[in-house]
Amino acid sequence: EIVLTQSPTTTAASPGEKVTITCLASSSVSNMYWYQQKSGASPKLLIYSTSSLASGVPDRFSGSGSGTSYSLTINTMEAEDAATYYCQQWSSNPDTFGAGTKLELK
Amino acid sequence: QVRLKESGPRLVQPSQTLSVTCTVSGFSVTSYHVSWVRQPPGKGLEWVGAIWKGGSTDYNSALKSRLSISRDTSKNQVFLKMNSLQTDDTGTYYCAKHETDYGYNDYFDYWGQGVMVTVSS
Repeated sequence: EIVLTQSPTTTAASPGEKVTITCLASSSVSNMYWYQQKSGASPKLLIYSTSSLASGVPDRFSGSGSGTSYSLTINTMEAEDAATYYCQQWSSNPDTFGAGTKLELK
Repeated sequence: QVRLKESGPRLVQPSQTLSVTCTVSGFSVTSYHVSWVRQPPGKGLEWVGAIWKGGSTDYNSALKSRLSISRDTSKNQVFLKMNSLQTDDTGTYYCAKHETDYGYNDYFDYWGQGVMVTVSS
């Protein structure tokens, strides 16, 4: 099973600040996927195929990476971006998620 | 418009069986795979299992002995059954529609609202 390790576990950012969340895979994966989950809501797809924005996602979000190292970047933090972010892989069975990164507004 | 909606009991007694239904609209369960993902309170996401568009299934190995996922194609519904429930099975159970990218990797492009299930006597 591929283990995904996210860092940081928790972080806080001020409006306008740049935020980067990292996801390290225990073995190489071909693509990474990112989800945003706000309190009390279902997860929402943010990034697919490592760097493609899902429909309706603001372009301040971006994804990058390859092999075992991937990242999600918010170029300029906005209040509505406060949420928990999860990475996910299914290059190898079973499907696995990272433990999540909680992003708070400073 | 793609929608998934979970329904099922909110409270289940320990050792009993959980049965949750996912009713989908806007797509056919014979055209897209559907997974179940669960989330304990305050914790992260855990893939439970999937039913592929052809009808075969895959389960999380840690839960496999207690799990059954099936579907009714005429009603566009997917079912989750998990037996011998324990308190650590408490959580929100989501169904999610798969999409597959160019590298044949699956991910979840639509999620249901989830059903919060508490295992308690």
